[in-house]
Amino acid sequence: GAVVSQHPSRVICKSGTSVKIECRSLDFQATTMFWYRQFPKQSLMLMATSNEGSKATYEQGVEKDKFLINHASLTLSTLTVTSAHPEDSSFYICSARGLDTSGGYEQYFGPGTRLTVT
Amino acid sequence: AQSVTQPDIHITVSEGASLELRCNYSYGATPYLFWYVQSPGQGLQLLLKYFSGDTLVQGIKGFEAEFKRSQSSFNLRKPSVHWSDAAEYFCAGEGPGGGNKLTFGTGTQLKVEL
Repeated sequence: GAVVSQHPSRVICKSGTSVKIECRSLDFQATTMFWYRQFPKQSLMLMATSNEGSKATYEQGVEKDKFLINHASLTLSTLTVTSAHPEDSSFYICSARGLDTSGGYEQYFGPGTRLTVT
Repeated sequence: AQSVTQPDIHITVSEGASLELRCNYSYGATPYLFWYVQSPGQGLQLLLKYFSGDTLVQGIKGFEAEFKRSQSSFNLRKPSVHWSDAAEYFCAGEGPGGGNKLTFGTGTQLKVEL
């Protein structure tokens, strides 16, 4: 089946530093990947849509200069949280759009990355 | 605005009992609808989806959901719950022509009592 990985699974960083999170589609190519943020006991909020070879499309209210997204290949998208602050602490989840068993498309989700900013 | 609502934050059922998780949607047109399950340390897994056609959708792990346009609902059901079903369940919607952008409900935490 379609597998999406994220690295790292957990990261702790100091306030003011930058952190990069990788999202990989392991056995399929994904022209479109998505980045979500999930607060404790809350739903997933879409941050941005990442298209291979082009600029990401950010949702309203998401600072694109703070959350840098790069989708340089058909199997890799990265999210860089720049100048991280404690309020950026959250669970970040990526998904990759791939074919499903019926020939349509489906989002396949990674296991998430827990970011803690101290 | 498009939205998906899950009225129940927590639900507890006994193993072997039936289960129904509620989901309501608000879209201008009939959306594509999904149910996902999230277990600790694992990514969201798709249980089932509705695009069109038969309003009763069968999914994996013995789950099914029924689309009811008149009630703007897409409730998830399972006839007999297993202890391994304990997890967080999310309903999500995608507006037709929405570019695969999913709007998630707030989730329902399912606890299964042995």
